[in-house]
Amino acid sequence: NAGVMQNPRHLVRRRGQEARLRCSPMKGHSHVYWYRQLPEEGLKFMVYLQKENIIDESGMPKERFSAEFPKEGPSILRIQQVVRGDSAAYFCASSPPWLAYTGELFFGEGSRLTVL
Amino acid sequence: DQQVKQNSPSLSVQEGRISILNCDYTNSMFDYFLWYKKYPAEGPTFLISISSIKDKNEDGRFTVFLNKSAKHLSLHIVPSQPGDSAVYFCAASYGSGNTGKLIFGQGTTLQVKP
Repeated sequence: NAGVMQNPRHLVRRRGQEARLRCSPMKGHSHVYWYRQLPEEGLKFMVYLQKENIIDESGMPKERFSAEFPKEGPSILRIQQVVRGDSAAYFCASSPPWLAYTGELFFGEGSRLTVL
Repeated sequence: DQQVKQNSPSLSVQEGRISILNCDYTNSMFDYFLWYKKYPAEGPTFLISISSIKDKNEDGRFTVFLNKSAKHLSLHIVPSQPGDSAVYFCAASYGSGNTGKLIFGQGTTLQVKP
């Protein structure tokens, strides 16, 4: 009964480096979401994926950010050429299809990215 | 464009009393409203939700009220307990055709004093 697993929990990068955040959804969940929480703000939707498909990426910045959910393995959120403004907590969530309708999501503990 | 707003950043109540957390929204297309609870260094946890066709939903000590005409919802916690101390986020979703995209408020930090 493992929950949503995210790693790393903490990641420090220098400006210009790449950050890769991983997320394994709960067993039986086919829907994966990524949210970002900037300091002192609420969570902001980034992207919604199903296996091998990006369903809604309306919250993703147009440049440097990408996400995937391959047939095998975890979902990956990739940030290229990080800048200080990317410092935030990145939360992954998953849900079974019947709960995606209502928005009841199961969140991981988050990955905290610090850009020096 | 903040579609979901929690205007009170913090709230402090005495143990055993009622906690009332408020949330306002602007988009009448929202179909579901949810409350999430978050402890420091943890992810948000789903607490309770309400469909837009209802005006009240109750689950134990937690009750959510929805006033569609005022575009306002509130979460009541009775009685409040010290373990309820956390950040509470109000969120809204579009329901039909929803892609799991939740619109979150900024959060209200609740402190319940023993």
